Amino acid sequence: GQNIDQPTEMTATEGAIVQINCTYQTSGFNGLFWYQQHAGEAPTFLSYNVLDGLEEKGRFSSFLSRSKGYSYLLLKELQMKDSASYLCAVMDSNYQLIWGAGTKLIIKP
Amino acid sequence: GAVVSQHPSWVICKSGTSVKIECRSLDFQATTMFWYRQFPKQSLMLMATSNEGSKATYEQGVEKDKFLINHASLTLSTLTVTSAHPEDSSFYICSAKDREGFTTEAFFGQGTRLTVV
Repeated sequence: GQNIDQPTEMTATEGAIVQINCTYQTSGFNGLFWYQQHAGEAPTFLSYNVLDGLEEKGRFSSFLSRSKGYSYLLLKELQMKDSASYLCAVMDSNYQLIWGAGTKLIIKP
Repeated sequence: GAVVSQHPSWVICKSGTSVKIECRSLDFQATTMFWYRQFPKQSLMLMATSNEGSKATYEQGVEKDKFLINHASLTLSTLTVTSAHPEDSSFYICSAKDREGFTTEAFFGQGTRLTVV
């Protein structure tokens, strides 16, 4: 079956760095997405990786290793507004998004 | 990025009534729209895939007669929750894919919080 695993919850301190991991097993692979979702709101797109390596976008970076079925989202210089759920999703061979359960990130002052 | 507008943002309805949720792509044509449901503290659950001009494809366990989907144009899809019950209370989110070639992201609407009383 298809499976996306990510930690349920993480806690970090304002100004610090946090890495949220995601491992996946899917039928085919057409890219991995990271989304941010604040409570009561729809997800917003953060990043897309289809090739191995690191993609940097401001304070956020996303890494992919296809051979390991592994990705991480790296958040630097954490701000209180970064408190949210972070969803990992993989696009399978049918171009359908398979969603992880999300990681709730709690930022403490 | 592309904009997807979902309406209403929230709705409260009585048990047994029907509720229609609209999903519009504002600046692009979407041949495919997706409808998700999200219960508190859970991830998105795909309900159905809506293709313009054809019948929607429903995921296993989703009642097609209860959740009516119409994708009448390249910019509009609607989800109607018929004979709503309290257990249908949830956050419903639509997303749309641009028809112009392969897209790298699905664009999401703002979501609709449905409460059935």
